Amino acid sequence: NAGVTQTPKFRVLKTGQSMTLLCAQDMNHEYMYWYRQDPGMGLRLIHYSVGEGTTAKGEVPDGYNVSRLKKQNFLLGLESAAPSQTSVYFCASSYGGASHTDTQYFGPGTRLTVL
Amino acid sequence: GENVEQHPSTLSVQEGDSAVIKCTYSDSASNYFPWYKQELGKRPQLIIDIRSNVGEKKDQRIAVTLNKTAKHFSLHITETQPEDSAVYFCAASKGSNYQLIWGAGTKLIIKP
Repeated sequence: NAGVTQTPKFRVLKTGQSMTLLCAQDMNHEYMYWYRQDPGMGLRLIHYSVGEGTTAKGEVPDGYNVSRLKKQNFLLGLESAAPSQTSVYFCASSYGGASHTDTQYFGPGTRLTVL
Repeated sequence: GENVEQHPSTLSVQEGDSAVIKCTYSDSASNYFPWYKQELGKRPQLIIDIRSNVGEKKDQRIAVTLNKTAKHFSLHITETQPEDSAVYFCAASKGSNYQLIWGAGTKLIIKP
């Protein structure tokens, strides 16, 4: 049981390049989330998904796109990277029980630098 | 909009003393309040959580208290140890949307 995994762990991009971050979970969780964390700051929600085939915008969605084609995977895309997107990106997942909010389990993070 | 305020931003305590971190929330529909610990370069990990139908919860040296009327909740760590040094985040559920609203974090420093 690997929990939540993220690929890649590190990446350096040039301005204007594109890339996709992959998040995978093997806990059969319904809900998945993408956050960004900037130095000395808290977590800001980019996009989230409440089930396969569904996505929704979070607090800071501009410049990012997501897809949830399979229940276990949640992809975060940057179409044209900008230096302001330099950050650590965390994926998280939760069970998604209908009656209440559940614990979010985090992946190890992806450290992205945009030059 | 909904927000969670967390204080202090930095807390320095002597090893063996207690530490208290406080959060206030604005969304009256919030019913789930987790606390996460993040060590340097690591992922956030849940250390304790509380739901709105409970006023206090303990797990060994860690406790959380909730005052729904005042909309605030606190993390209490007793007999602090060097391994407690980390950044602690509080969060509150965002109504029924299964999202969490996060506090800005508290850097806890345990002095030997």
